[in-house]
Amino acid sequence: EVQLVESGGGLVQPGGSLRLSCAASGFTFSSYSMNWVRQAPGKGLEWVSYISSSSSTIYYADSVKGRFTISRDNAKNSLYLQMNSLRAEDTAVYYCARGLRESLNYWGQGTLVTVSS
Amino acid sequence: QLVLTQSPSASASLGASVKLTCTLSSGHSSYAIAWHQQQPEKGPRYLMKLNSDGSHSKGDGIPDRFSGSSSGAERYLTISSLQSEDEADYYCQTWGTGIQGVFGGGTKLTVL
Repeated sequence: EVQLVESGGGLVQPGGSLRLSCAASGFTFSSYSMNWVRQAPGKGLEWVSYISSSSSTIYYADSVKGRFTISRDNAKNSLYLQMNSLRAEDTAVYYCARGLRESLNYWGQGTLVTVSS
Repeated sequence: QLVLTQSPSASASLGASVKLTCTLSSGHSSYAIAWHQQQPEKGPRYLMKLNSDGSHSKGDGIPDRFSGSSSGAERYLTISSLQSEDEADYYCQTWGTGIQGVFGGGTKLTVL
């Protein structure tokens, strides 16, 4: 069974940093592209970042470019999102999702990030 | 600019059918999309990939009650024999040229 479990969320002050993790199981992690998608409270889904299976291709949404860094460790079956210079508008539930383009075919349950003083 | 437009809400009766619409912005009518379902307080669930010709491939375990179709720039999700657990938010999603994921604003489906 495919499982994606996010962790690392919490309360952080504006300007602070946080590192999210996504632990993958039930499939060959190193064979799949991965994404981070977020959802602000009461709002819709917003794609954040993409990383290819070998980490050779990485994309970011304009809203996080230069502040967030996606990475992965295929040996540990883990995906990461390093978030720096956090702003109030980054407050959201962050989901990891497996796949690429129109095939984001498995999602985690999310981890909540709250940016507030 | 690539934009996906969805009606904010829809409703239908238990046991009936409902058709949700996602409209691709001008110049993007050939794009494939995905449909995702998000039940209350849960993470999203992938339903299907839907191509411009109406062909679609569903995710693991998605019931036959869920189907997709296309017409021009419109992409549809039809849910038949509505059940209470189908009450959820439904999002369409696609990929901009090369480098950006794009989501529609979502449709909140109420099962009466």
